[in-house]
Amino acid sequence: DQQVKQNSPSLSVQEGRISILNCDYTNSMFDYFLWYKKYPAEGPTFLISISSIKDKNEDGRFTVFLNKSAKHLSLHIVPSQPGDSAVYFCAASDSGNTGKLIFGQGTTLQVKP
Amino acid sequence: NAGVTQTPKFQVLKTGQSMTLQCAQDMNHEYMSWYRQDPGMGLRLIHYSVGAGITDQGEVPNGYNVSRSTTEDFPLRLLSAAPSQTSVYFCASSRPSWEQETQYFGPGTRLLVL
Repeated sequence: DQQVKQNSPSLSVQEGRISILNCDYTNSMFDYFLWYKKYPAEGPTFLISISSIKDKNEDGRFTVFLNKSAKHLSLHIVPSQPGDSAVYFCAASDSGNTGKLIFGQGTTLQVKP
Repeated sequence: NAGVTQTPKFQVLKTGQSMTLQCAQDMNHEYMSWYRQDPGMGLRLIHYSVGAGITDQGEVPNGYNVSRSTTEDFPLRLLSAAPSQTSVYFCASSRPSWEQETQYFGPGTRLLVL
């Protein structure tokens, strides 16, 4: 049973517009959520995270929103740039145990110039 | 700091062969993990360790063994490789949970089992 789901395998947006990537989870014990970005032939790199005590976290062009009641989080990238084209994974852990992350399937973002 | 390093980068095995994927980190992180990435499946946790001498199973542990004799190293062993273990393997490390640290990933090992 997939505890973390990214239902959109791919997303294409125009440069300068907003990219919204979505993620749903089923395990109510998850209390820490992360987004990772992955380029081909490289390991995932950390992008942004959010604790369940917050509903929003911003870092430059990246904002993560958490809706605990809906068990849903989203990553907003504004404005989108061609260099943002990559696979984005959301991940979750319980009690902040980041040694044991559960990942979604990933969403491939393409930002067109 | 080199961060998290993995060797080899690429490996071809025949069914039934054994091998060890190496992982090392120089950040003095207590937590280390192994994931596999398959198309459409995301990253799935194989085994993880919260410190030297302590390991536990993740989502897909069958066919893999781990040990953690030092803080720096966390090798993953395939005892008898199967085609289903063809995948890209990532090692990661992080600090203890109360610091809410993120995991840092290595560059990956691509494994092909024929």
